[in-house]
Amino acid sequence: DAGVTQSPTHLIKTRGQQVTLRCSPKSGHDTVSWYQQALGQGPQFIFQYYEEEERQRGNFPDRFSGHQFPNYSSELNVNALLLGDSALYLCASSLLSGAGTDTQYFGPGTRLTVL
Amino acid sequence: AQSVTQLGSHVSVSEGALVLLRCNYSSSVPPYLFWYVQYPNQGLQLLLKYTTGATLVKGINGFEAEFKKSETSFHLTKPSAHMSDAAEYFCAVSESNTGFQKLVFGTGTRLLVSP
Repeated sequence: DAGVTQSPTHLIKTRGQQVTLRCSPKSGHDTVSWYQQALGQGPQFIFQYYEEEERQRGNFPDRFSGHQFPNYSSELNVNALLLGDSALYLCASSLLSGAGTDTQYFGPGTRLTVL
Repeated sequence: AQSVTQLGSHVSVSEGALVLLRCNYSSSVPPYLFWYVQYPNQGLQLLLKYTTGATLVKGINGFEAEFKKSETSFHLTKPSAHMSDAAEYFCAVSESNTGFQKLVFGTGTRLLVSP
């Protein structure tokens, strides 16, 4: 059973460019969450998708957008990249229970470097 | 809003010694609490979680944590450290909004294990 997978592993972009990161959830999971982990920090919640709709959003600007596909996979898009967007981007998947006790399983992350 | 405080950005122990990583939470509702471990250049792996019921929770790799409501704490312990335990450890609290859950992480504690 494959766990959460993310692509690419590493990415280097320049300021002002746009980037798309991809995530495939663990088999049987229907909810995908994205987190940003800056160097030396804990992960920060970006947003969450369920049934192809954004359900929750953290304190991130509109430059950060996403999508969920019918097969539950998801994309994170970041426009107009800033140096401060350099981070490890983590995707987590879970099976929605509605009780807030869901276990989120994380992928290995995509390391984004903005020059 | 829920929050988590991890005391000590670095903890050093000798192999075979007790491991104690501290986590205190702030929550206006009964919390759901998690400990994750992150090895270098990898994603997060769930160690254990507390939702309801028994306050002493056992996890993988010999780790356990005790939920103490009176102290608003959820400290992680392991009786005997192993070299392979060297990693970054994150405590997280679940914040649920209309059934959709996001994780709020602490800043992490790096565990160093010396021979």
